[in-house]
Amino acid sequence: QSVLTQPPSVSAAPGQKVTISCSGSSSNIGNHYVSWYRQLPGTAPILLIYKNDERPSGIPDRFSGSKSVTSATLGITGLQTGDEADYYCGTWDGSLGAVFGGGTKLTVL
Amino acid sequence: QLQLQESGPGLVKPSETLSLTCTVSGGSISSGAFFWAWVRQPPGKGLEWIASVYYGGSAYYNPSLKSRVTISVDTSNNQFSVKLSSVTAADTAVYYCARQERGFGELFQLDTWGQGILVTVSS
Repeated sequence: QSVLTQPPSVSAAPGQKVTISCSGSSSNIGNHYVSWYRQLPGTAPILLIYKNDERPSGIPDRFSGSKSVTSATLGITGLQTGDEADYYCGTWDGSLGAVFGGGTKLTVL
Repeated sequence: QLQLQESGPGLVKPSETLSLTCTVSGGSISSGAFFWAWVRQPPGKGLEWIASVYYGGSAYYNPSLKSRVTISVDTSNNQFSVKLSSVTAADTAVYYCARQERGFGELFQLDTWGQGILVTVSS
């Protein structure tokens, strides 16, 4: 049982937009920055979004992040087959330290 | 370009201590802006943060693992390490090291990750 709640899976067609939600509480998302990670099969996670809505250099603007109270959302537009991966949200929790969501598997139909 | 590389045994016996080292290249582990973290991922499951250490030695631990974990830093060799004692099959996972931005009383995103090392706990 993860501290942050994500849907196990989402899917959409190539070229479409998808959103992935991440729900937490006041002890984590409500008072701390959210980051998002993408993990392709058999590889290490990479940072997609940090401090709620910032993109590291090299991450295309097809990826966006937002936060509202105790929830956060990752948006991906212009879906490509190469976007098929597991996506994780993460944040800091005042009692637990660094915490992650359970992960969401994105399928591009 | 910053790179992190995990090393250590891929097989550990139950009840023994798992020891891993992360070697940092392309940057200094003594940078004041960052902590250095360990994260693990059991096969087919999600990410679990283990602990993070600052070059000065201060550290944060996952409360659920704290009694079994020791994290340390070796600035002279630009490395940091983790030890997990009394391992069981539940500790079988891919272990990643990563760089984590420092905040005030909290830590932020993990921006650079090693490739990971699979550690199996089995007799």
